[in-house]
Amino acid sequence: EVQLVESGGGLVQPGGSLRLSCAVSGFTFSDHYLEWVRQAPGKGLEWIGRSRNKVNNYTPEYAASVKGRFTMLRDDSRNSLYLQMSSLKTEDTAVYYCARDVSTISGGQWGQGTLVTVSS
Amino acid sequence: DIQMTQSPSSLSASVGDRVTITCRASQGIRNNLGWYQQKPGKAPKRLIYAASSLQSGVPSRFSGSGSGTEFTLTISSLQPEDFATYYCLQHNEYPITFGQGTRLEIK
Repeated sequence: EVQLVESGGGLVQPGGSLRLSCAVSGFTFSDHYLEWVRQAPGKGLEWIGRSRNKVNNYTPEYAASVKGRFTMLRDDSRNSLYLQMSSLKTEDTAVYYCARDVSTISGGQWGQGTLVTVSS
Repeated sequence: DIQMTQSPSSLSASVGDRVTITCRASQGIRNNLGWYQQKPGKAPKRLIYAASSLQSGVPSRFSGSGSGTEFTLTISSLQPEDFATYYCLQHNEYPITFGQGTRLEIK
């Protein structure tokens, strides 16, 4: 069974940093693209980044709203994707979801999300 | 960026009704579109990929169509569990973008 489990959310002050984790199971971690998508309270879905697969050197793509502040990293030994977030703003407050490649037949599964609150 | 515009933004319907939601892309995206259902407090669930292919395990009352710039999601006979918010997503080019959502409510 495919599973994606996010963790690491919490309360952080503006300007601070936080690292989210997405632990996956049920598929070969290195073979698949992975996405980060967020949802501000009461708002719609916003794609914020993609980590390509190992064949594509795990190269990332970022939305303009987070580029230069957020970084995605992978750890093959832990089957985990990380989202390192820095220079956080109040508008980064959201539930952050990890998802398996939204563009393929085999993908489209999502984790349950983790809430990040940026507030003083 | 490609803008995805859904209509309507909200919709009231009854159990058994046929419902259609439209998603328009600001430029052509071939068939690189998916449809997602989200219930309150839950993660989105993919219903349709490649514009018209039904995700495994999704009831056949859901169907998708379209290519290029105009797409539709149809629910042939609404069931109580279908009341939720629906989103389209394009993955033809970066940044990947979502529609603003369509909230489907019980009449």
